[in-house]
Amino acid sequence: QQQVKQSPQSLIVQKGGIPIINCAYENTAFDYFPWYQQFPGKGPALLIAIRPDVSEKKEGRFTISFNKSAKQFSLHIMDSQPGDSATYFCAASRFGNQGGKLIFGQGTELSVKP
Amino acid sequence: EPEVTQTPSHQVTQMGQEVILRCVPISNHLYFYWYRQILGQKVEFLVSFYNNEISEKSEIFDDQFSVERPDGSNFTLKIRSTKLEDSAMYFCASSDSGIYGYTFGSGTRLTVV
Repeated sequence: QQQVKQSPQSLIVQKGGIPIINCAYENTAFDYFPWYQQFPGKGPALLIAIRPDVSEKKEGRFTISFNKSAKQFSLHIMDSQPGDSATYFCAASRFGNQGGKLIFGQGTELSVKP
Repeated sequence: EPEVTQTPSHQVTQMGQEVILRCVPISNHLYFYWYRQILGQKVEFLVSFYNNEISEKSEIFDDQFSVERPDGSNFTLKIRSTKLEDSAMYFCASSDSGIYGYTFGSGTRLTVV
């Protein structure tokens, strides 16, 4: 019940394409869903996050879509660029959790071809 | 922009040896974490630390692991007797507000031989 399942494992798109990465969770107590971007040799960096009271959040070229009834959320990258090539992790947590533990998905390695 | 600093960036150790991984969190942050990432796998939670005590720990964080905030700036992870399966990238993170505002360090790659 603590798992977050992420797909696909890897994704290749052409520059300008719209990669979509999907995540699903089981624990309905989760109420905070961030996405992290990780470049080789670096730690994960927060990209965008959503709470379940909204169905969509957009920041620049990055959009999270959230479906509470299906317990799924996804990341869309508009007008993708080669510089977006990285590994993307979804995560989930409980806002009221004093510890602040994040449960990560398995990661998606995105490659954007010029 | 404030950073979480981890040292060393890479450590090689013999199986059975003790290692200490060091982290300097962002100065006004109150929540501290360790995560690990085995090569090619997902990032896994190890432990959270708040108000000078462990808030939560995972099943991975057994008696071989300990954390300490020895002074006002450092946060360390000690592995008492390393095993081959401890080889991973270890990330320190800090936050000023729990799950919000996490900042991860660049990690320490631990190789146990």
